[in-house]
Amino acid sequence: DIQMTQSPSSLSASVGDRVTITCRASQSISNYLNWYQQKPGKAPKLLIYSVSTLPSGVPSRFSGSGSGTDFTLTITSLQPEDFATYYCQHNYNTPSTFGQGTKVEVK
Amino acid sequence: QITLKESGPTLVKPTQTLTLTCTFSGFSLSPSGLGVGWIRQPPGKALEWLAFIFWDDDRRYSPSLKSRLSITRVSSRNQVVLTMTNVDPVDTATYYCAHSQLELFLFDSWGQGALVTVSS
Repeated sequence: DIQMTQSPSSLSASVGDRVTITCRASQSISNYLNWYQQKPGKAPKLLIYSVSTLPSGVPSRFSGSGSGTDFTLTITSLQPEDFATYYCQHNYNTPSTFGQGTKVEVK
Repeated sequence: QITLKESGPTLVKPTQTLTLTCTFSGFSLSPSGLGVGWIRQPPGKALEWLAFIFWDDDRRYSPSLKSRLSITRVSSRNQVVLTMTNVDPVDTATYYCAHSQLELFLFDSWGQGALVTVSS
């Protein structure tokens, strides 16, 4: 199985901050890397797919980059509704696996 | 509009078989609607991919759970059913079904989740 490792596990930030979350795969996954946002008690929501593509309706303050094994999710100006847990996931092959999550908390 | 909803028991005893149903609307399991997967999340923990059924009835399972899982579809009812045998308290989790339309194993629409507790 391909292991996905996120860092940090949690971070504290303020509204307006730039936030960066990294995700590392245990082997190359090309561009098969996705990000989800999950708020407490809710289902995950697809945030970014194929490394850097935003689904319709996702604000442009979210962006993704990377290739191969190292990937980054960036929020350029954190908004109140962005406090949540973020998961990376690969869909390179099966089993698909998720990272352990990064919780973005209020500073 | 695509919707998915999980249903099933909220409490299951150890060693029993868990059956969860995902009822969906807004798409059909066809070449354009790639497939449906199941993902679970133990309380306070990360997401775990469990199983996936393709539009052509091909199936994939998590290797660590393969011997205990079965995923099937009921096309006439727009449903996908996940069965897990011999459950244990460690299987306590919220179980989600989700749709892959953009890419295989990329989950672009999710159900609300169903919390299942395994306890005697």
